Amino acid sequence: DAMVIQNPRYQVTQFGKPVTLSCSQTLNHNVMYWYQQKSSQAPKLLFHYYDKDFNNEADTPDNFQSRRPNTSFCFLDIRSPGLGDAAMYLCATSRAFTDTQYFGPGTRLTVL
Amino acid sequence: DAKTTQPNSMESNEEEPVHLPCNHSTISGTDYIHWYRQLPSQGPEYVIHGLTSNVNNRMASLAIAEDRKSSTLILHRATLRDAAVYYCILRDPVQGGSEKLVFGKGTKLTVNP
Repeated sequence: DAMVIQNPRYQVTQFGKPVTLSCSQTLNHNVMYWYQQKSSQAPKLLFHYYDKDFNNEADTPDNFQSRRPNTSFCFLDIRSPGLGDAAMYLCATSRAFTDTQYFGPGTRLTVL
Repeated sequence: DAKTTQPNSMESNEEEPVHLPCNHSTISGTDYIHWYRQLPSQGPEYVIHGLTSNVNNRMASLAIAEDRKSSTLILHRATLRDAAVYYCILRDPVQGGSEKLVFGKGTKLTVNP
């Protein structure tokens, strides 16, 4: 049974056109994360929520925003996607900060 | 974050054991050694973690050197499904920043039929 679900799996957007990626979890975990993984690179943390408390990594561009309306859902908004934002976006959850992280399958974003 | 060093790639044959090394010479006393793997076109998944003693679970074994400056992930009988990038990550539950997984480049494991 899927525990961390990401929709859509593939997203195509145009340069500068806002796009939203979604993540949902059935684990009732407190922490939700968004990672960016560019081609042939390792995943890199963008930000995370502990419950409703949001923490942005220092080097995450302002172009990236996130929302967590409830425990189960978290959204990644890219306000004005550039060509350099093409990547796999991974959502993960954990019960607490130091616990195992469970990843979704990712959304592959293409920017035309 | 303490750094880890892993070979870029390794090859194995199906049904043979695989030993994936990780060096972490600057490991602190409170760093746990975690392994995650990422199968093609999937998100990373947890494999195993340990502090000092060797650890076993249904997926793999983790052998930790006595001085903790290196560790080895052991897949006892590799299958084609084990072809993935394996990441060795240090996490300190005490220090700030423990919420992060800081991924290095990992080892790409190829399993030959």
